[in-house]
Amino acid sequence: GAVVSQHPSWVICKSGTSVKIECRSLDFQATTMFWYRQFPKQSLMLMATSNEGSKATYEQGVEKDKFLINHASLTLSTLTVTSAHPEDSSFYICSAFWDRVNEQFFGPGTRLTVL
Amino acid sequence: AQSVAQPEDQVNVAEGNPLTVKCTYSVSGNPYLFWYVQYPNRGLQFLLKYITGDNLVKGSYGFEAEFNKSQTSFHLKKPSALVSDSALYFCAVRDPGRRALTFGSGTRLQVQP
Repeated sequence: GAVVSQHPSWVICKSGTSVKIECRSLDFQATTMFWYRQFPKQSLMLMATSNEGSKATYEQGVEKDKFLINHASLTLSTLTVTSAHPEDSSFYICSAFWDRVNEQFFGPGTRLTVL
Repeated sequence: AQSVAQPEDQVNVAEGNPLTVKCTYSVSGNPYLFWYVQYPNRGLQFLLKYITGDNLVKGSYGFEAEFNKSQTSFHLKKPSALVSDSALYFCAVRDPGRRALTFGSGTRLQVQP
């Protein structure tokens, strides 16, 4: 149990386009999901907390208009990188919080490369 | 605010030798502490956690960690390292009143054959 998937696992896009990344909890419901960003050889930085049925909470310095988060159901959160630029290239990891076990579980990550 | 420090960017150890990856934390109240491992271009794999109880926590793949409240440390250990243990290790802390994790900067473990 406690599997979290991300789709796509990698994506290459042109500068100026938008990219949507999906995060799904496959065998549990998650009222809260988290989105992290990881630069090469660096730690995970929390970008935002995604709450089902309400607006996401963004960390300081993260542009909410740039990184749109939608948590439309208890098993799905999406991160849309709007008008992507090369500096948005990164590894994006989501996690889903399972209330019943009071723990979060991580997806496998999505590698975004913006040309 | 909660924070985690991993003072070593890299730890090198010979296969078969014991390994230690250091972690210290700062959090108000009693912390939830975690260790994760990350292989290249992969997500995080859970190794172990401390919530309460015995200070020595045993986890996956033969790893263990010792919670030391007086030193605010949660060092990861393994009695005998394997080459396959070479990866990036993250310590994380969570305030019991919150859901979000705060990660340390990561320590790259290199096990030489």
